[in-house]
Amino acid sequence: AQKITQTQPGMFVQEKEAVTLDCTYDTSDQSYGLFWYKQPSSGEMIFLIYQGSYDEQNATEGRYSLNFQKARKSANLVISASQLGDSAMYFCAMREGQGWDSNYQLIWGAGTKLIIKP
Amino acid sequence: ETGVTQTPRHLVMGMTNKKSLKCEQHLGHNAMYWYKQSAKKPLELMFVYSLEERVENNSVPSRFSPECPNSSHLFLHLHTLQPEDSALYLCASSQDPGGGTDTQYFGPGTRLTVL
Repeated sequence: AQKITQTQPGMFVQEKEAVTLDCTYDTSDQSYGLFWYKQPSSGEMIFLIYQGSYDEQNATEGRYSLNFQKARKSANLVISASQLGDSAMYFCAMREGQGWDSNYQLIWGAGTKLIIKP
Repeated sequence: ETGVTQTPRHLVMGMTNKKSLKCEQHLGHNAMYWYKQSAKKPLELMFVYSLEERVENNSVPSRFSPECPNSSHLFLHLHTLQPEDSALYLCASSQDPGGGTDTQYFGPGTRLTVL
């Protein structure tokens, strides 16, 4: 079974609208971390936001926020007021374990291609 | 230079060639990673170095040989590659590979084509 599922292979969104990118995960660990990365066509993987499983509040970083619903095992990325420069691939990733027992390895989703229309 | 840099950005090589990919991080991090990104597949972790010691090797074929001479530099030596090795190779670094909140920062990647 896939551990990270991104159900939207592609999305078109009008500029200035908010967009939600879906991510569901599967783990039996109580401690884990969730990450979102952006990959423009240039190839670089850019870190956007992090959410720990014990964090009580949803993470926010500028226009990015993470809608973390632990019981549903979902960690959706919300981009407010989208811009043309937001067009890119977006990847959700998980690390199982926190602290010194955490795994080095990030488990990655297949990604969502987001295109912002002017 | 800032962040994580990779050279070359593009590489075309024949199956009998030997080449090397270079990665350098300017973030003062302790760990460095090699990933392979093929079309329509999730990122695959290839190697992890922590404080210049290899700590993870995910069953990568021996035609890929990593080298980490110090905590700022990472190389991937390539020889006798196959066409299916064509992919984007990404390097990353992080501060504390044992920490759950540890975040990996990536370079721009090397686009490799094997003819």
